[in-house]
Amino acid sequence: NAGVTQTPKFQVLKTGQSMTLQCAQDMNHEYMSWYRQDPGMGLRLIHYSVGAGITDQGEVPNGYNVSRSTTEDFPLRLLSAAPSQTSVYFCASRRRTGKETQYFGPGTRLLVL
Amino acid sequence: GENVEQHPSTLSVQEGDSAVIKCTYSDSASNYFPWYKQELGKRPQLIIDIRSNVGEKKDQRIAVTLNKTAKHFSLHITETQPEDSAVYFCAASKGLISNFGNEKLTFGTGTRLTIIP
Repeated sequence: NAGVTQTPKFQVLKTGQSMTLQCAQDMNHEYMSWYRQDPGMGLRLIHYSVGAGITDQGEVPNGYNVSRSTTEDFPLRLLSAAPSQTSVYFCASRRRTGKETQYFGPGTRLLVL
Repeated sequence: GENVEQHPSTLSVQEGDSAVIKCTYSDSASNYFPWYKQELGKRPQLIIDIRSNVGEKKDQRIAVTLNKTAKHFSLHITETQPEDSAVYFCAASKGLISNFGNEKLTFGTGTRLTIIP
């Protein structure tokens, strides 16, 4: 199993540009989520999904959209990038029931100029 | 919503000594408390977790204790080694049952642990 994968690893955007961060998992996990990590602020939840077609907002959803058309994929879209969205983004997945080990992807480092 | 506070933000200990990181949570319904280790430039990885029906759990040099009454839990690392240097995150959730909306993990702000050789 590849586990949780993310692309790209690093991206530079200009203010106002849009982009999609990709996330995929091959563990048949129902639950997937996106976090952003900023210095001194830990991991903050952006959006999450408990299954295909079901998504909900986390702690910091503004400026981000998500969709979940398949169990495997959970892309994160930035519609109009802002410098405040400069961060490291982690995707994570886990089973919805039972043991709740959450597995993280390798992260995407985003710089918005 | 849940609020998790973590202390200290930085911690330096001599190699071989013990390290303790403490977290408090606000929601008494939280029942699952994992700890993650993040090495520089890497992804967070689960190192140990505890559920609310257990007061203590050990895994070799790592242990976690939970005080439900006081709503705090702690990570203990004994006989520290240089490879223990990393950022450690605690987290809390109500996600032991499969109810939509109870699945979210709330993280603390992290502790940067440095082991001094």
